[in-house]
Amino acid sequence: AAGVIQSPRHLIKEKRETATLKCYPIPRHDTVYWYQQGPGQDPQFLISFYEKMQSDKGSIPDRFSAQQFSDYHSELNMSSLELGDSALYFCASSPTKLSGYEQYFGPGTRLTVT
Amino acid sequence: GDSVTQMEGPVTLSEEAFLTINCTYTATGYPSLFWYVQYPGEGLQLLLKATKADDKGSNKGFEATYRKETTSFHLEKGSVQVSDSAVYFCALSDPYGGSQGNLIFGKGTKLSVKP
Repeated sequence: AAGVIQSPRHLIKEKRETATLKCYPIPRHDTVYWYQQGPGQDPQFLISFYEKMQSDKGSIPDRFSAQQFSDYHSELNMSSLELGDSALYFCASSPTKLSGYEQYFGPGTRLTVT
Repeated sequence: GDSVTQMEGPVTLSEEAFLTINCTYTATGYPSLFWYVQYPGEGLQLLLKATKADDKGSNKGFEATYRKETTSFHLEKGSVQVSDSAVYFCALSDPYGGSQGNLIFGKGTKLSVKP
């Protein structure tokens, strides 16, 4: 079965640089979520999209932005990177926003800021 | 706001031992509850879920029952294997309450099973 695809899997950037993370949801899933997981931490919700419109916003810094495109893939853009942005970034997709539907996670992008 | 509290780890068990990982939640709406598992270097995999009170989720020998009266969703397995070694996250989704549609996770419990 098709899974959520994320690219790149690993990314190394320097402070103040920019990074773009990509997510390709499971086909026919209309909702995409982004999470950030720091070392030894639980995942924290950043932002979500439903039918290509921003749906909910969590603890996403103003330096980050995201969008969902017509083919439903999503990109997380991160500017002015800081050391504290080093983390695993997960994308998840769900067949619907409705309650009770599980989210399927991608393998994550490990971002290292040096 | 909504929150999830799960027992601190790490938990170390011998193979074939009984496992319980406690999870309690606070929610303003009618949440759905999940257990996710994360193996080293991998993403999060859904282990089981329950969408309403008294529902029991089960998968791969793991079980958890949605207890509204105690606001709990404890994970259990009768006989663990070395391959169950991973980090386990309890999570809730409360689309009509505090979390909206996104997942709120507990801090995670690392399980190590020794042969």
